[in-house]
Amino acid sequence: DTAVSQTPKYLVTQMGNDKSIKCEQNLGHDTMYWYKQDSKKFLKIMFSYNNKELIINETVPNRFSPKSPDKAHLNLHINSLELGDSAVYFCASSQGFRDYVRNEQFFGPGTRLTVL
Amino acid sequence: GEDVEQSLFLSVREGDSSVINCTYTDSSSTYLYWYKQEPGAGLQLLTYIFSNMDMKQDQRLTVLLNKKDKHLSLRIADTQTGDSAIYFCAETPNQAGTALIFGKGTTLSVSS
Repeated sequence: DTAVSQTPKYLVTQMGNDKSIKCEQNLGHDTMYWYKQDSKKFLKIMFSYNNKELIINETVPNRFSPKSPDKAHLNLHINSLELGDSAVYFCASSQGFRDYVRNEQFFGPGTRLTVL
Repeated sequence: GEDVEQSLFLSVREGDSSVINCTYTDSSSTYLYWYKQEPGAGLQLLTYIFSNMDMKQDQRLTVLLNKKDKHLSLRIADTQTGDSAIYFCAETPNQAGTALIFGKGTTLSVSS
């Protein structure tokens, strides 16, 4: 009964290719996130969606485009992959906009992207 | 701006206590979290503390919060080799949908 799942777990591709990473949560949460963890293990938010609406869009190249077909899914599409995109990408979800609710985020297992 | 600082490495012997420290800057943060990441795995929420608390204990884990100094610590009693992992401190204002701001993580190494 995986709460937040991501596919694929590993992705190895050539520079210049376009790839997608999928994320699904079965927790009934309203808000989903993409985080990037670099080679030094530093985690940084990329995007956040609430009920399919983009609410956080950090300084991320336009080559990265999130898509949320419904509130249980948040996919990440990356165009023209570059060497620097190599990282582990984590999807997460949380309950959403409610007052005084602990914003606990549940993380997926991560997708390790390697760009050659 | 928002920033969360942690020391990068900590080495302890099995059976000792480990203390991981964190400082944060956003005084509006209502909840502060500790996440654990084992090698090759995702992030697991270990514990959290609400900002009006000074201390929270959960089995071997004790969280101390000094809101005046914006200092958070995680103490692991009787540290085991299975506790070897990266520990991330994170803050977020109590506004659902706001991202977690993570520290750079403290790598805890436990030797037997």
